Amino acid sequence: DTGVSQDPRHKITKRGQNVTFRCDPISEHNRLYWYRQTLGQGPEFLTYFQNEAQLEKSRLLSDRFSAERPKGSFSTLEIQRTEQGDSAMYLCASRPGSSYNEQFFGPGTRLTVL
Amino acid sequence: GESVGLHLPTLSVQEGDNSIINCAYSNSASDYFIWYKQESGKGPQFIIDIRSNMDKRQGQRVTVLLNKTVKHLSLQIAATQPGDSAVYFCAESPPQAGTALIFGKGTTLSVSS
Repeated sequence: DTGVSQDPRHKITKRGQNVTFRCDPISEHNRLYWYRQTLGQGPEFLTYFQNEAQLEKSRLLSDRFSAERPKGSFSTLEIQRTEQGDSAMYLCASRPGSSYNEQFFGPGTRLTVL
Repeated sequence: GESVGLHLPTLSVQEGDNSIINCAYSNSASDYFIWYKQESGKGPQFIIDIRSNMDKRQGQRVTVLLNKTVKHLSLQIAATQPGDSAVYFCAESPPQAGTALIFGKGTTLSVSS
């Protein structure tokens, strides 16, 4: 499968714990995005990377959230001191630099904070 | 079946019918639009896109119409099949959002056989 992959697919954690999610984009895609989706809503943009550079961050990305893409390939999203309000689906998307803005999404990581 | 005018969260159709899903977008400066299909427990799947210099684009069994005057986007699915059952989202790409996509409210399409 050459699509966007995410790991883990599901994560259950207790409030106050730290969690880290991984995204592997399509190999030739230099642009990578993180979105958050809550039940019944469309995805909301969190942050964007072009190669290893984090170029955009949403106001939704509080100080407890950090994202990296150290070698311009896979990316990680870490949430520190999780809160119940962080429970959501975290989606990763990627696209090649040459395309207009068609983004290809991964299956998501479902986070449940107890 | 059609979700007419204002956004309706659900649309139920019979197998074989044509479906029309409507979306009102927010930013008149948006220059690119995408329709995504999302099945339960999965990420959004690209269906079709359209740039603002076009008013219609056709794919396989799907057509997207863009009306910039009233900031309206629609997705037409011909001969709807049970496998088309999913939540459908429109997304826009406004210049001030950088490269982020702004998603609208989804419409749940239910196809009965």
